[in-house]
Amino acid sequence: DTAVSQTPKYLVTQMGNDKSIKCEQNLGHDTMYWYKQDSKKFLKIMFSYNNKELIINETVPNRFSPKSPDKAHLNLHINSLELGDSAVYFCASSLAGQGVTEQFFGPGTRLTVL
Amino acid sequence: GNSVTQMEGPVTLSEEAFLTINCTYTATGYPSLFWYVQYPGEGLQLLLKATKADDKGSNKGFEATYRKETTSFHLEKGSVQVSDSAVYFCALTQGGSEKLVFGKGTKLTVNP
Repeated sequence: DTAVSQTPKYLVTQMGNDKSIKCEQNLGHDTMYWYKQDSKKFLKIMFSYNNKELIINETVPNRFSPKSPDKAHLNLHINSLELGDSAVYFCASSLAGQGVTEQFFGPGTRLTVL
Repeated sequence: GNSVTQMEGPVTLSEEAFLTINCTYTATGYPSLFWYVQYPGEGLQLLLKATKADDKGSNKGFEATYRKETTSFHLEKGSVQVSDSAVYFCALTQGGSEKLVFGKGTKLTVNP
């Protein structure tokens, strides 16, 4: 009964490859997010979707493309992976329009680019 | 733009010691303030929050008070336990946006 789940948990790949990370939430939330946590633990938002529509798009390279097939899923596809993409990527979800709401985070996907 | 500054870690304490992790923010208007905790190998969990000046958030023995005059939201706990060892993040949102702006995190280690 995991609330926010991500797959895979670990991803090791070569530079130049294309990879995807999947995220699913079963909380009935309508807003989902992707965050990147670098090696120094600094967390920064990348994207946010509300009801499958993009609402936050920070300064992220075009190689990163989020896709939301429905409210419960937000996947992250990364083209032409670079060394600097190595990080832990966290998915999160929340219910918008409820005042100040809590975001629920997934366990993270540790991406290592060799 | 909005930003959050929290004390550099790591912080190492003995069990039952008093904990303070400082957090200050820069924002226009009235942000909402949060403390999230990340236990080893896990995602973040909301620890506590405060949405207006002088509000006090509290949970699991941790407290933080929203101080507008000093733009601060310091985290405190009177007696830490080994199980409190984690990375603590101060964060804010503003203006109805769901976008969380995080501080750089403070790693706490509590020794028995």
